[in-house]
Amino acid sequence: NAGVMQNPRHLVRRRGQEARLRCSPMKGHSHVYWYRQLPEEGLKFMVYLQKENIIDESGMPKERFSAEFPKEGPSILRIQQVVRGDSAAYFCASSTTGGRSPLHFGNGTRLTVT
Amino acid sequence: SQQGEEDPQALSIQEGENATMNCSYKTSINNLQWYRQNSGRGLVHLILIRSNEREKHSGRLRVTLDTSKKSSSLLITASRAADTASYFCATDAMYSGGGADGLTFGKGTHLIIQP
Repeated sequence: NAGVMQNPRHLVRRRGQEARLRCSPMKGHSHVYWYRQLPEEGLKFMVYLQKENIIDESGMPKERFSAEFPKEGPSILRIQQVVRGDSAAYFCASSTTGGRSPLHFGNGTRLTVT
Repeated sequence: SQQGEEDPQALSIQEGENATMNCSYKTSINNLQWYRQNSGRGLVHLILIRSNEREKHSGRLRVTLDTSKKSSSLLITASRAADTASYFCATDAMYSGGGADGLTFGKGTHLIIQP
C-alpha cells in the first residue's frame, strides 16, 4: 500500500539546465498538489491538478515552471533554465477529495542548482 | 502573506513534559490541520479540526480552535524523544474557490525533546 512516491530524492542541476520532478499519488487519489519549501520555511503552494487538468496554478511562477498530470503516469513538475533561486525542496501531496481533506505527502525532491 | 503563523518558532523541553504550540491565522476557514515533519521527510497529517469544532483529541494530541480569535493550539502530552520534529498548522480558507488553491501552511514550530 504505497504512499505518495516522489523521484528523484535529490537532483543537482547546473544553471540553465532543466529539472523534471515526478510524483505518483497514492492509489485512488486523483488530486495532486505541488509545494515548495525553502530552509526554515513553511510550504508554499504552487499548483493543484486533477487528471489531465490544471485546476489552480496561482502559486507557480509564470515563466519557466510548468506542471502536468496525464491520464496515465505520474505528475511532472518541470523547471526550465533553472537558476540558483530554484534550489529548494519540492513536495507533492495527494488527496481523495481536494482541499477539504488531509493531504498525503511524498518525501520530496531536493533540488540543488549549482 | 502567510495565513498561518506558528508560535513559538522553536521549543525545547524535557522528555515527559507537555509541549504546546500555537497557530494564528487571518481569514475565515473551513478547517485547520496540523502536520508533523521529521528532518528530510515529507509532512505527515496529524489532526483536522473543522470550523464548527472547538476541541479534538487523538492519542496524546489535543487541538483547540478559537475562531473568534482566529487561533489554534496543539498540545502534545507526555512528550517523547520521537516527537522531535517540526510542526505546521495549515488552513483551508473559506473563500478559496472550493479549496482549489490548496492548504496554506505556516513556517512551523521546531520542537526538540531532550531525553
